[in-house]
Amino acid sequence: AQSVTQPDIHITVSEGASLELRCNYSYGATPYLFWYVQSPGQGLQLLLKYFSGDTLVQGIKGFEAEFKRSQSSFNLRKPSVHWSDAAEYFCAVGPFSRGSQGNLIFGKGTKLSVKP
Amino acid sequence: DAGVIQSPRHEVTEMGQEVTLRCKPISGHNSLFWYRQTMMRGLELLIYFNNNVPIDDSGMPEDRFSAKMPNASFSTLKIQPSEPRDSAVYFCASSYSSLGYNEQFFGPGTRLTVL
Repeated sequence: AQSVTQPDIHITVSEGASLELRCNYSYGATPYLFWYVQSPGQGLQLLLKYFSGDTLVQGIKGFEAEFKRSQSSFNLRKPSVHWSDAAEYFCAVGPFSRGSQGNLIFGKGTKLSVKP
Repeated sequence: DAGVIQSPRHEVTEMGQEVTLRCKPISGHNSLFWYRQTMMRGLELLIYFNNNVPIDDSGMPEDRFSAKMPNASFSTLKIQPSEPRDSAVYFCASSYSSLGYNEQFFGPGTRLTVL
């Protein structure tokens, strides 16, 4: 069965420090991969997505993610965190056939806190 | 564009009452998704529609839950009767379906509390 694992429930980093949020997936073929961010009281906003091609993808707000097939990972990175990045981050996989508008499977999320 | 609109934003009700959550997708989008978010189970898909037709409702927890999409600009999620374990944040999302996957745009959610 398809699944997404975000091993870190909560991460705290200092403002200006680099950030890496981990995401591992289980799927039999190359999936479509996504990172979403959820600010308090808000819905989810897409940060970036990977479908194919270059394994390093750039997103909004200075985020990037790298797809590593050998590790079944899609980790999210940012070189310098800002206080406004404090939020919850969700990794997701799907849908499972091209052209399908099927569901996304989400990880449980990683809550990011930023220290001044 | 106003984005995906959900109402109400907060709902507090008593066990046994009927609850109706509403969603207006982004104009031009033809796929609509209902998700539920809880601390224990995270974000789960309940049901999704394509061109107003329910495609997959396997995530609907039980018969107390029902969803409709009478037209392209409106959907409802109804819980009858409601139970305390239904307390969660319910999100609606929409996307435009084409040959490739397209981004799902999420609404702000409805926080439901069942006492």
